[in-house]
Amino acid sequence: KAGVTQTPRYLIKTRGQQVTLSCSPISGHRSVSWYQQTPGQGLQFLFEYFSETQRNKGNFPGRFSGRQFSNSRSEMNVSTLELGDSALYLCASSRDTSNEKLFFGSGTQLSVL
Amino acid sequence: GNSVTQMEGPVTLSEEAFLTINCTYTATGYPSLFWYVQYPGEGLQLLLKATKADDKGSNKGFEATYRKETTSFHLEKGSVQVSDSAVYFCALSDGTGNQFYFGTGTSLTVIP
Repeated sequence: KAGVTQTPRYLIKTRGQQVTLSCSPISGHRSVSWYQQTPGQGLQFLFEYFSETQRNKGNFPGRFSGRQFSNSRSEMNVSTLELGDSALYLCASSRDTSNEKLFFGSGTQLSVL
Repeated sequence: GNSVTQMEGPVTLSEEAFLTINCTYTATGYPSLFWYVQYPGEGLQLLLKATKADDKGSNKGFEATYRKETTSFHLEKGSVQVSDSAVYFCALSDGTGNQFYFGTGTSLTVIP
């Protein structure tokens, strides 16, 4: 069974650009959540999607958005990039929303120059 | 609000030493508590969990007990191995879906 797949693995962008990250959950998993990981802040919750609907949203500005497709794949978009957006973005999938167990991808390392 | 505080790293131990990584939490209601591990270049993996007070989670020789009176969930292992070198994250979920609150992580290096 394939794990959570995130693409691309690495991204380099400049300030002001926008970026789209992709996440394919484990087959059969309908919940996808996104986290930002930085050395100083650890992991911070961005948002969670279940059956194409956003269920929870963390404390991030509106420049961070996401969506989920009918096949449960999810994308995350960051517009007007800032230097502080440089981070590892992790996607996690789960069978449902019962907070039983999250399966994480290896992440997308975003560098903003 | 919800938050998790875990001990600062990095932690360096010799093989077969005893490991403790402290974790305390603040939460409304009755959260579930987790330890996740991240090996270099990989995503996080669930190590163990406990869903109610006095529960003990265990896996691969690691243990943690949910202590409501001290709001703690300390991770322990009696004899660490080189292969345990990784970053360990304490986390809680308050039951509102899959929104987890993570600590900042503790890096562990085990030397032979």
